[in-house]
Amino acid sequence: ELKVEQNPLFLSMQEGKNYTIYCNYSTTSDRLYWYRQDPGKSLESLFVLLSNGAVKQEGRLMASLDTKARLSTLHITAAVHDLSATYFCAVDIDNAGNMLTFGGGTRLMVKP
Amino acid sequence: ETGVTQTPRHLVMGMTNKKSLKCEQHLGHNAMYWYKQSAKKPLELMFVYSLEERVENNSVPSRFSPECPNSSHLFLHLHTLQPEDSALYLCASSQDYALSYNEQFFGPGTRLTVL
Repeated sequence: ELKVEQNPLFLSMQEGKNYTIYCNYSTTSDRLYWYRQDPGKSLESLFVLLSNGAVKQEGRLMASLDTKARLSTLHITAAVHDLSATYFCAVDIDNAGNMLTFGGGTRLMVKP
Repeated sequence: ETGVTQTPRHLVMGMTNKKSLKCEQHLGHNAMYWYKQSAKKPLELMFVYSLEERVENNSVPSRFSPECPNSSHLFLHLHTLQPEDSALYLCASSQDYALSYNEQFFGPGTRLTVL
């Protein structure tokens, strides 16, 4: 059974600080997705990582994928309050984007 | 309307009721998905439809019955649910199930409470 584990599950940080969210998974996959979910809202796609070594950056967020280690990271640089949300990684089982297995989510709170 | 819409946004039902959740996508996509997001479990894929044909069913109890009358609409019919079925039900769509790369776009979800 595929397992996708995120840590930490909950993260409280001060504005201006840096931190990394980790996503480990237990099966071979070359593709991984990161989503953001605000309370009461839907999932918003952040990053699509399609190969080993892929790195993508958008604003204060940077995601990377190491398929050999079965690990993806989401790095937050100089956090701001607007980044407060729950972040999910999802592993692509069929390498076509149809069968996603999600991690449990990391709830991020950025305090002023 | 743009993107993926879901109605109702909130639903409270008794265990003997029959209700339906509706999802509509305005993206011209051919694949649609139902997910369940419980408070204490990761997001779970329930059903996948491609061009109105069900292609995946992840061991979902028969009290959940999906229907896809066309590529723009997806329903989830509910009957004799249990309190543990209370969750946020998310719909998603993607361009084409057969493509080598698909990005899923999610709707806002229906918050279901079963009393």
